[in-house]
Amino acid sequence: GAGVSQSPSNKVTEKGKDVELRCDPISGHTALYWYRQSLGQGLEFLIYFQGNSAPDKSGLPSDRFSAERTGGSVSTLTIQRTQQEDSAVYLCASSSVRGSYEQYFGPGTRLTVT
Amino acid sequence: AQTVTQSQPEMSVQEAETVTLSCTYDTSESNYYLFWYKQPPSRQMILVIRQEAYKQQNATENRFSVNFQKAAKSFSLKISDSQLGDTAMYFCAFNPGNQFYFGTGTSLTVIP
Repeated sequence: GAGVSQSPSNKVTEKGKDVELRCDPISGHTALYWYRQSLGQGLEFLIYFQGNSAPDKSGLPSDRFSAERTGGSVSTLTIQRTQQEDSAVYLCASSSVRGSYEQYFGPGTRLTVT
Repeated sequence: AQTVTQSQPEMSVQEAETVTLSCTYDTSESNYYLFWYKQPPSRQMILVIRQEAYKQQNATENRFSVNFQKAAKSFSLKISDSQLGDTAMYFCAFNPGNQFYFGTGTSLTVIP
């Protein structure tokens, strides 16, 4: 079956502009995660959705970052007024069971803020 | 605080040889899951192996095996008979609940 997909694969934007990154999880997966991976670094947790529960937003670095998940499926990560330090690869992952099972990752979106 | 430490930023190994990547973590939880993920240049994160903390037996998956020492909070990955396709970044991660915590990764190069 289809894996996790993300779009766009690459995005170049000017400082101060807003961007939207999309994640389409594996069908039937109730958990969805967003991570940020800066160059040469590990994965930084951003936000976690589980079913219809309120999302865990504890990893969002500032109020410029927000995410939503519509209909328990597709998720959009929005970054407002982008800054150069937002440049990174943004990875989305989904899993079928809350917490305890492995995540399946998308290919990521490379965001470059000029 | 939940932390994961990978103390080897870069490693290399000759093809067909064995290499061990180290990982330590810190948590006050007693039940959790541990993972090793591989990220080749294509950027796609792939699960290599998983270990459940309440299981004493070390997980194995073909050429990949772990040495899980719960008391020492250590979770190393052994790759046997290294192949050129094993060249990638390897991330150790653990999951005590909702969140996954990742190390900073080890860049492994397999030399022909």
